[in-house]
Amino acid sequence: GENVEQHPSTLSVQEGDSAVIKCTYSDSASNYFPWYKQELGKGPQLIIDIRSNVGEKKDQRIAVTLNKTAKHFSLHITETQPEDSAVYFCAAEGQAGTALIFGKGTTLSVSS
Amino acid sequence: KAGVTQTPRYLIKTRGQQVTLSCSPISGHRSVSWYQQTPGQGLQFLFEYFSETQRNKGNFPGRFSGRQFSNSRSEMNVSTLELGDSALYLCASSPRVGRNTEAFFGQGTRLTVV
Repeated sequence: GENVEQHPSTLSVQEGDSAVIKCTYSDSASNYFPWYKQELGKGPQLIIDIRSNVGEKKDQRIAVTLNKTAKHFSLHITETQPEDSAVYFCAAEGQAGTALIFGKGTTLSVSS
Repeated sequence: KAGVTQTPRYLIKTRGQQVTLSCSPISGHRSVSWYQQTPGQGLQFLFEYFSETQRNKGNFPGRFSGRQFSNSRSEMNVSTLELGDSALYLCASSPRVGRNTEAFFGQGTRLTVV
């Protein structure tokens, strides 16, 4: 069935370093790939997304890259700050309409 | 613009009971989706509603149901609660229906079944 694999499950970096989270997906028909940040006690917050007609998208310190041929996409956070500490989820749209298939999440810890 | 509002934030129910959760989408959004989040299974899609019609359903038993009202507000119901239904239930609203559509989540309702 449809599947999204996310790695690593935990990531610890020093403040100012970069962080990279990688995801692979199984459904070649997927064209929309959002990333969410979830802080403790809150719902997932959409932080960036990418559609299959582009290979890269940036928003300040956050960037996402997409390789449709290899069916993988990545989140890059530069100059990390302690407030970036959270659980990050990648997702891909499933075959059935707008249902999103989520990765298992990456717990990012940024120490100062 | 107000975000997605879910009520209540927390619920404790007993096995066998039923529960109803409510979601008000972002103003102007007509598509509402529901997800279940657990530590073991992660985020899993329950169903999607648009214009009061269920468009899409995930792989959950019939005890899980939902509906949408004419003002786009949505409710989900779980009957005959089981311990395994303990989870964070998240509602997401989208500005339109169809593929390539952003989804914005509420803070969720934390359901504990005892």
